[in-house]
Amino acid sequence: KAGVTQTPRYLIKTRGQQVTLSCSPISGHRSVSWYQQTPGQGLQFLFEYFSETQRNKGNFPGRFSGRQFSNSRSEMNVSTLELGDSALYLCASSLDLFGGGPYEQYFGPGTRLTVT
Amino acid sequence: KQEVTQIPAALSVPEGENLVLNCSFTDSAIYNLQWFRQDPGKGLTSLLLIQSSQREQTSGRLNASLDKSSGRSTLYIAASQPGDSATYLCAVSMDSNYQLIWGAGTKLIIKP
Repeated sequence: KAGVTQTPRYLIKTRGQQVTLSCSPISGHRSVSWYQQTPGQGLQFLFEYFSETQRNKGNFPGRFSGRQFSNSRSEMNVSTLELGDSALYLCASSLDLFGGGPYEQYFGPGTRLTVT
Repeated sequence: KQEVTQIPAALSVPEGENLVLNCSFTDSAIYNLQWFRQDPGKGLTSLLLIQSSQREQTSGRLNASLDKSSGRSTLYIAASQPGDSATYLCAVSMDSNYQLIWGAGTKLIIKP
């Protein structure tokens, strides 16, 4: 079974631009979470989606948004990029058949975003 | 507010040794605890998940224990190998929330 995939793997953007990152969960997984990893702040939770609905949200500004599609694939969007948004963005999926959990999370390889 | 701490931040040991990595958390009302490894520039690999009702989990040379009352978990690695070199992170979930709260990690180097 294929793992979690994220595209693109690397991205370079300029301040003020916007970016969209994509995540395809493991087949059959319904929950998708997003995390930001930076050397200074470590890993921080962005948001989690289940059945096309955002269930949980971390403490990030409104410039960070996401969505989930009916096939459980998810995208996150960052508008008006700032230098501090440079980070590794990780997506994780979880089986969560019945909307309970939290269950074990499986991570993708991440998207490395560099803002110049 | 839950805080997760991992000590030490870095550890270097010779190949073949058994070792223990530590994780502590301030709020014992966790739902579960997960251990991950991260190789440089890569994503996270799930190693073990312990539910709050469990005391330990084992997978191959890895054994993770959980003591909720004292707010501690340990990851025991037996007969370490150079391929075990990586950063090890622990993370906890609270209640039915998927938000993982992370430690800063322990960078492990196994010397051949």
